[in-house]
Amino acid sequence: DIVMTQSPDSLAVSLGGRATINCKSSQSLLYSSDNNNYLSWYQQKPGQPPKLIIYWASARQSGVPDRFSGSGSGTDFTLTISSLQAEDVAVYYCQQYYSSPQTFGQGTKLDIK
Amino acid sequence: EVQLVESGGGLVQPGRSLRLSCAVSGFTFDEYAMHWVRQAPGKGLEWVSGISWNSGSRVYMDSVKGRFTISRDNAKNSLYLQMNSLRAEDTALYYCAKDLGLLGGPTGFNGMDVWGQGTTVIVSS
Repeated sequence: DIVMTQSPDSLAVSLGGRATINCKSSQSLLYSSDNNNYLSWYQQKPGQPPKLIIYWASARQSGVPDRFSGSGSGTDFTLTISSLQAEDVAVYYCQQYYSSPQTFGQGTKLDIK
Repeated sequence: EVQLVESGGGLVQPGRSLRLSCAVSGFTFDEYAMHWVRQAPGKGLEWVSGISWNSGSRVYMDSVKGRFTISRDNAKNSLYLQMNSLRAEDTALYYCAKDLGLLGGPTGFNGMDVWGQGTTVIVSS
């Protein structure tokens, strides 16, 4: 199984500041046939189901604010929130769908400093 | 409006069975793969199983293989998870989720763009 490791486990950022969450996979998620990285990012707020924010490592899901961006390729990926808003407080998960079983990172808890 | 509504959770003794259901509305169900994802209390997300649009492909996480069976009824717009030989470690909130539906890819499955609110399964004597 592909192991997904996120860092840090938690972080606190000031309102308006930049938040950066990293995700590393134990195998490359780059599919050579279409040159896409099979990685998603989700946001989960307390008491709510997860919400898809990024797929194919960098494609923003419809309706997601453009302060959210995804980057990276192969085994190293990053989720960046460019100007943190109060409503961004949540746990963020990366997930690979390159191979079965799909696997998630352990999650990163994001708070306001 | 796209909606996924899970049901069938509850308290069950170890070794017993439970069948979860997910009723879907607001999109063409038989055009999309579907998934079950679970979350143990206070823990992270764990993908459990996925099924292709026509049930031709069914995949499972290792710890549920041989115990859980995913199925769907496209005529009823419903997804199911039959869970047998339940263990304490299966205790979790179980989410039904719609596949993003992107074409291609190494497995035919993708991330998940719509989620239900979940149904809780507690395995305890």
